[in-house]
Amino acid sequence: NAGVTQTPKFQVLKTGQSMTLQCAQDMNHNSMYWYRQDPGMGLRLIYYSASEGTTDKGEVPNGYNVSRLNKREFSLRLESAAPSQTSVYFCASRRTGWDYGYTFGSGTRLTVV
Amino acid sequence: GIQVEQSPPDLILQEGANSTLRCNFSDSVNNLQWFHQNPWGQLINLFYIPSGTKQNGRLSATTVATERYSLLYISSSQTTDSGVYFCAVATSGGSYIPTFGRGTSLIVHP
Repeated sequence: NAGVTQTPKFQVLKTGQSMTLQCAQDMNHNSMYWYRQDPGMGLRLIYYSASEGTTDKGEVPNGYNVSRLNKREFSLRLESAAPSQTSVYFCASRRTGWDYGYTFGSGTRLTVV
Repeated sequence: GIQVEQSPPDLILQEGANSTLRCNFSDSVNNLQWFHQNPWGQLINLFYIPSGTKQNGRLSATTVATERYSLLYISSSQTTDSGVYFCAVATSGGSYIPTFGRGTSLIVHP
């Protein structure tokens, strides 16, 4: 009954370091999404996966890569972190079909120094 | 892509007051949700409402899809209502990818 689980909740990186943000959902949803939230900007889509085995770029994909490991898991990787990637990252999932809403994880607060 | 505008951007209320938040969107949508982001940053799904009216306690929402807007009503506001309210819309032409407005920041004073 966990919904969407993100790890870690907080992370501090040095410029140039790499890391992977993990996301897992237990609702058997087909579609998964990664968003970043910056002050005054709302949420902006980084990448999404409409179904297992597919990934597509969103509005702000530069500097990120993703992997849809299986139906449950969708990870976001920063290969060489930059201060501009300091943000709060949210993962979300939904069932396929027009009439289903989205469920969000609790977020990862990332600071790049 | 679809444009989403929320108003007002900021709202300050005294506890017990009522308020209406608005979400305008630039194209027909198949999917619309209202979220509340609490002061701890958690996004909580309030309503899935692509059309019609729904109510949940002191909160209700109405979407008039033909006129491309949605309203969120908060009655008898409480301090726990503070936070940011987001509207997110999606279309079939956009693969149901939700586009978010910039939110309405609500502060409720005791």
